[in-house]
Amino acid sequence: EAGVAQSPRYKIIEKRQSVAFWCNPISGHATLYWYQQILGQGPKLLIQFQNNGVVDDSQLPKDRFSAERLKGVDSTLKIQPAKLEDSAVYLCASSIGDGSSYEQYFGPGTRLTVT
Amino acid sequence: AQSVTQLGSHVSVSEGALVLLRCNYSSSVPPYLFWYVQYPNQGLQLLLKYTSAATLVKGINGFEAEFKKSETSFHLTKPSAHMSDAAEYFCAVILGNNRKLIWGLGTSLAVNP
Repeated sequence: EAGVAQSPRYKIIEKRQSVAFWCNPISGHATLYWYQQILGQGPKLLIQFQNNGVVDDSQLPKDRFSAERLKGVDSTLKIQPAKLEDSAVYLCASSIGDGSSYEQYFGPGTRLTVT
Repeated sequence: AQSVTQLGSHVSVSEGALVLLRCNYSSSVPPYLFWYVQYPNQGLQLLLKYTSAATLVKGINGFEAEFKKSETSFHLTKPSAHMSDAAEYFCAVILGNNRKLIWGLGTSLAVNP
């Protein structure tokens, strides 16, 4: 079974530029999560999708961050414009989402450096 | 407030020694409990989970954890540490009716030769 795929793995941009990350969850997983992990900290949930609907985006900085999952499969997370404090690893995770289990499976992450 | 506490942000053990990483949670309802491991420059990998079946849960790489309801704990152990166990370990708990995953702050495990 293929795991969660993310691209790119690394990205370096200057502040005020825009950037987009892509995630393809495990096949059949209805729930998709985007996390931000700052160095030395635990993951912080940015947004949670159930199929193509948003379940929780309470911690997403909506003035600069946006995310979509139009067809209920893969997803993109965008930052525009980026700030220095956005430097972090952006993790995508998925779970089966049918209430039978709650474990989340993570991709390798995208390490963003904003200079 | 519902929370997850990992005691000790850094733990150092000798190779071959017992590994004990502590996790306590606060919840008024039975939780789902997880331990994840994160190796440098990698994503999070599920080590093991507790979902109200057996209280002693065995995971990958020789790790296990015991759910103790009376102590609201889910400590992670491994009898003999390997150098390859050096990583960041996160305890996470599904709490409440909204089934939101709450993360601990993580414990960095160092294994000394």
